[in-house]
Amino acid sequence: DAGVTQSPTHLIKTRGQQVTLRCSPISGHKSVSWYQQVLGQGPQFIFQYYEKEERGRGNFPDRFSARQFPNYSSELNVNALLLGDSALYLCASSLVGQLYNEQFFGPGTRLTVL
Amino acid sequence: AQSVTQLDSQVPVFEEAPVELRCNYSSSVSVYLFWYVQYPNQGLQLLLKYLSGSTLVESINGFEAEFNKSQTSFHLRKPSVHISDTAEYFCAVSARAGGYQKVTFGIGTKLQVIP
Repeated sequence: DAGVTQSPTHLIKTRGQQVTLRCSPISGHKSVSWYQQVLGQGPQFIFQYYEKEERGRGNFPDRFSARQFPNYSSELNVNALLLGDSALYLCASSLVGQLYNEQFFGPGTRLTVL
Repeated sequence: AQSVTQLDSQVPVFEEAPVELRCNYSSSVSVYLFWYVQYPNQGLQLLLKYLSGSTLVESINGFEAEFNKSQTSFHLRKPSVHISDTAEYFCAVSARAGGYQKVTFGIGTKLQVIP
């Protein structure tokens, strides 16, 4: 069975640009969460979506947005990129919306902002 | 608010020696506790979790962790490490905040197993 997939693997952008990251959850999983992992730190929670609705939001500015599609895949958008947005962006899926259920992580998208 | 403290950023240990990776948390409400492992250039994998019941939880590859409510700790242990255990380990807590479950990760501990 395929695990969580993310695209692209790597991305290089310049300050002020916009970026869209994509995530496909494990088949049957209806919940998707996004995390930002800056080098040397643990993942920071950005969003959770369940059944196409936003169920949770971390302490990130409005430049960050996300959505979930009818097939439960998800996109994370970041506008007006800053140097500090450089990080590994992780997507995780789970069967149900409660975050105490096991989350399965994708390999991540490495975003570099120049 | 909840927080997680991993006291050691790096832990070198010789192969076949025991290891303990420390994790302390703070939360004003009941929490669920997790340990995740991240191998180089990979995503996180769940190692073990405590939701309720027995305070000692075990993984399939020999790791164990004990939930200690009075000390607000969830330390990870293994009696004998292998080279393949070299990875970064993250402790995480999940608690209800603002109507949903919020997950907070520690900064991670890099376990380096020395041959």
